[in-house]
Amino acid sequence: LAKTTQPISMDSYEGQEVNITCSHNNIATNDYITWYQQFPSQGPRFIIQGYKTKVTNEVASLFIPADRKSSTLSLPRVSLSDTAVYYCLVGDSGNTPLVFGKGTRLSVIA
Amino acid sequence: SAVISQKPSRDICQRGTSLTIQCQVDSQVTMMFWYRQQPGQSLTLIATANQGSEATYESGFVIDKFPISRPNLTFSTLTVSNMSPEDSSIYLCSVEGPIRGGYTFGSGTRLTVV
Repeated sequence: LAKTTQPISMDSYEGQEVNITCSHNNIATNDYITWYQQFPSQGPRFIIQGYKTKVTNEVASLFIPADRKSSTLSLPRVSLSDTAVYYCLVGDSGNTPLVFGKGTRLSVIA
Repeated sequence: SAVISQKPSRDICQRGTSLTIQCQVDSQVTMMFWYRQQPGQSLTLIATANQGSEATYESGFVIDKFPISRPNLTFSTLTVSNMSPEDSSIYLCSVEGPIRGGYTFGSGTRLTVV
């Protein structure tokens, strides 16, 4: 599974857009890019998944450049409740267990 | 997406004892995964559990310490045996879904060994 690198932590004020970038230089052709959110005392929660270009859902957007060696999770207008750890994972699908990196701890400040 | 019920949510145990954690899924799944998350750390995969076969353990985890059962396609248990304070962690189970390549996690079991 491809290794990922993310910033350890980020701070943001409420109402701002937050972009968290993940590097995955060794991504394979069949790999998808998936982001998870984890609040304290809870299991990780699936946010968004993409293969290339841009994906948007009700929670976030995911931008993936043509070379797919990085990806950016974009959270629009964050609120205090978005304070969490965000994990970027890369791998192919089909019941392949996840290998978690250290994640990015996002702190949203009022 | 699958709904996972994980029990207990937390426990405080004496060293040398064992704790069995249960994970119930509301749909049939081929594989279930068990993770450990030590305080302030990321998740580490313990093992993969297939129904009808022995679990596959990751490096650093052994069956004698973390025996796993998978009696059917909706249920699995993880036992933490002969516990020591170093076993104090959150233990989570996971299954694939809501989409292929995406995974759903249980709410976790917070274990404290004293």
